[in-house]
Amino acid sequence: GAVVSQHPSRVICKSGTSVKIECRSLDFQATTMFWYRQFPKQSLMLMATSNEGSKATYEQGVEKDKFLINHASLTLSTLTVTSAHPEDSSFYICSARDGTNLGETQYFGPGTRLLVL
Amino acid sequence: GQNIDQPTEMTATEGAIVQINCTYQTSGFNGLFWYQQHAGEAPTFLSYNVLDGLEEKGRFSSFLSRSKGYSYLLLKELQMKDSASYLCAVMDSNYQLIWGAGTKLIIKP
Repeated sequence: GAVVSQHPSRVICKSGTSVKIECRSLDFQATTMFWYRQFPKQSLMLMATSNEGSKATYEQGVEKDKFLINHASLTLSTLTVTSAHPEDSSFYICSARDGTNLGETQYFGPGTRLLVL
Repeated sequence: GQNIDQPTEMTATEGAIVQINCTYQTSGFNGLFWYQQHAGEAPTFLSYNVLDGLEEKGRFSSFLSRSKGYSYLLLKELQMKDSASYLCAVMDSNYQLIWGAGTKLIIKP
């Protein structure tokens, strides 16, 4: 199946700093990538949908100035958590859709665990 | 509103069979997905159903009835490594995935 990587897998940072998370599709071109966050024992929460070459579409309640998303190429999307605070500590997971077929399966990266002190 | 329902937790015995149900009410339907998620890890894709019927893939099978808004994931010959959460997700008319809260499956020896 399709492979999606994420980097870093784990990050600890001080409050007020910014953290960048990369999501790459390794063996396919991902015209659309998705960013999720997941709190312990809760389901995935979609944060934003990112299309290559255009601005991301954010879900209601997600601050676009705080969670900056860039989808510069067909294989790379980045999520930057700006001025991180302890409440931003969470498991961030990206997924990528293979191709332009909207019904295609999303494949997930391994996730990034963020801890803000 | 859109809603996906699945049991919170199920327990089964190693070697047995377990069926995890999922019912949904969504605005439109473009397929139903099952994902497996081990604790602390991201979900992995298991199956995709868009037509009614049963799709078999090794020890796992997934069934869909669109008229009933119902699906199940069937796991046979359970192994300890099958202990995980199983997430049901429906793709709506906007091609957005609507997620269930997941079913935590506990396998006992």
